[in-house]
Amino acid sequence: DTGVSQNPRHKITKRGQNVTFRCDPISEHNRLYWYRQTLGQGPEFLTYFQNEAQLEKSRLLSDRFSAERPKGSFSTLEIQRTEQGDSAMYLCASSLGLAAYEQYFGPGTRLTVT
Amino acid sequence: KQEVTQIPAALSVPEGENLVLNCSFTDSAIYNLQWFRQDPGKGLTSLLLIQSSQREQTSGRLNASLDKSSGRSTLYIAASQPGDSATYLCAVSSGSARQLTFGSGTQLTVLP
Repeated sequence: DTGVSQNPRHKITKRGQNVTFRCDPISEHNRLYWYRQTLGQGPEFLTYFQNEAQLEKSRLLSDRFSAERPKGSFSTLEIQRTEQGDSAMYLCASSLGLAAYEQYFGPGTRLTVT
Repeated sequence: KQEVTQIPAALSVPEGENLVLNCSFTDSAIYNLQWFRQDPGKGLTSLLLIQSSQREQTSGRLNASLDKSSGRSTLYIAASQPGDSATYLCAVSSGSARQLTFGSGTQLTVLP
């Protein structure tokens, strides 16, 4: 399968714990995005990487959130000191950055903070 | 700030009907518009992408139109089937990162 993959698919954690999610984009896609989706809403943009450089961050990305893309391939999203309001689906998307710039989404990581 | 609205929020139709989903956006400075399908608890599947210079795109029973100047798009589904039941999301690409701004979706139910 050459699509976008995300791990884990589900994560249950207790409030105050740290969690880390991984995204593997489509091979050779240089643009990578993270979005967050809460129940009944459309996804909201969190952050954007072009290769290894993080070029854009939303106001939604508080100080407790950090994202990396160390070698311009896979990316990680870490949430420190999780809160119940962090419970959501975290979606990763990648794009080739040519022509239509179409974004392809992974299956998401469902986070539940208890 | 770009805002995207989708109407209706939910729609229930009998199998075989043709239907139209609506999407509107506030800022016409977009690169493209994408329509996605989302099944419960799943990720997003891209259905159609319309570049800002285009007026419509077709794929099988789906046809999407774009009127950038008025900030509107429609997704037309012909001869609906129960397997079309899902949430349909409209998203516009804008900003320096070309990030997507999504509507809240239309939840479609096609009754057999």
